[in-house]
Amino acid sequence: NAGVMQNPRHLVRRRGQEARLRCSPMKGHSHVYWYRQLPEEGLKFMVYLQKENIIDESGMPKERFSAEFPKEGPSILRIQQVVRGDSAAYFCASSPKTGYNSPLHFGNGTRLTVT
Amino acid sequence: DAKTTQPNSMESNEEEPVHLPCNHSTISGTDYIHWYRQLPSQGPEYVIHGLTSNVNNRMASLAIAEDRKSSTLILHRATLRDAAVYYCIPANRDDKIIFGKGTRLHILP
Repeated sequence: NAGVMQNPRHLVRRRGQEARLRCSPMKGHSHVYWYRQLPEEGLKFMVYLQKENIIDESGMPKERFSAEFPKEGPSILRIQQVVRGDSAAYFCASSPKTGYNSPLHFGNGTRLTVT
Repeated sequence: DAKTTQPNSMESNEEEPVHLPCNHSTISGTDYIHWYRQLPSQGPEYVIHGLTSNVNNRMASLAIAEDRKSSTLILHRATLRDAAVYYCIPANRDDKIIFGKGTRLHILP
């Protein structure tokens, strides 16, 4: 079984550009979570999605950030007009049901560097 | 959300058991107790979770106090590859998995 696949592994963007981070959940998983980890800091929850629905986006910055999980294809985390403070590792996790009683399976992350 | 208290860091010798404590005195009756770990430069990894009874899997054991206000993750025989940050996370149906500061475990060869 393939695990959670995130790409790209590393992404470099100049200030003002857009960053698109992709996450393919494990087969059969319909729940996707995105987390951000700033350098030397902990993991912060960003958003929880099920197929075609955003369930909880309480951790998403109000501007420039959006996420989707379409019926077909990977989940996408989109950051518009990136700034240096967006430089971080972004991790995606998937589960077959809600994570409170089901393990989350994490990808190895996308490391975004904004220059 | 239930608050957790974990030691900032711990050390253990290789090939010895490790007991990682977690206090979660405000846990509710329906909160599951999850443990995850994060190795350097990797994504978090699920370790184990339980509700009331002690749990065992191939990675670790989880001992849950009878009053559920604390739990202990037990690594039976630590290896250098177990050096990581370990997170104890209570979660219920309405919660997402929220990571705190965790315990940084150092394994001494």
